[in-house]
Amino acid sequence: DAGITQSPRYKITETGRQVTLMCHQTWSHSYMFWYRQDLGHGLRLIYYSAAADITDKGEVPDGYVVSRSKTENFPLTLESATRSQTSVYFCASSLAGDEYEQYFGPGTRLTVT
Amino acid sequence: GEDVEQSLFLSVREGDSSVINCTYTDSSSTYLYWYKQEPGAGLQLLTYIFSNMDMKQDQRLTVLLNKKDKHLSLRIADTQTGDSAIYFCAEFIRGNKLTFGTGTQLKVEL
Repeated sequence: DAGITQSPRYKITETGRQVTLMCHQTWSHSYMFWYRQDLGHGLRLIYYSAAADITDKGEVPDGYVVSRSKTENFPLTLESATRSQTSVYFCASSLAGDEYEQYFGPGTRLTVT
Repeated sequence: GEDVEQSLFLSVREGDSSVINCTYTDSSSTYLYWYKQEPGAGLQLLTYIFSNMDMKQDQRLTVLLNKKDKHLSLRIADTQTGDSAIYFCAEFIRGNKLTFGTGTQLKVEL
């Protein structure tokens, strides 16, 4: 199906484990973004990518790694998960940067125990 | 990043108007947005306004922008139960990034 998808939708992991959240879009959008949503903080940008092989840090990048070898995929890896990374993670994409609308995935709820 | 502030909660009766407010901090914002998040879902763009505009109307939605006070508001006329959601304002500053507010949860009561 066309659109932007995230997997898994729910994940429970233990402190110290590595976990990868997947994001896939079928529009060939240039830009992709990862946000985390926490109560009282709204959405905060973790990393974003302007094109394949181009990534840049957002507001809260520490503890996260991203890659973008293909335009359609933008995985987010927590190298050693911590409880403070318990959150809902949203991936988004946009046709270009600037003022273009961002389209959001359904989110991944991650719990780190 | 810059802080974009919203009140956390708003409750209205069905049929009344809702007004959701947002205060942003960067006067160089070029576009300001309102996104809607329904339970268990991602965000969807509701409407946006360019920084050289004071007002934008789109059916039941009215966006007001006061650049002097850095204040943005979203008015929903004839609020319905289907409008119950979290509403986020966001500002676009050059650098291809959006800064989101904390979100306002709108509850519509019968």
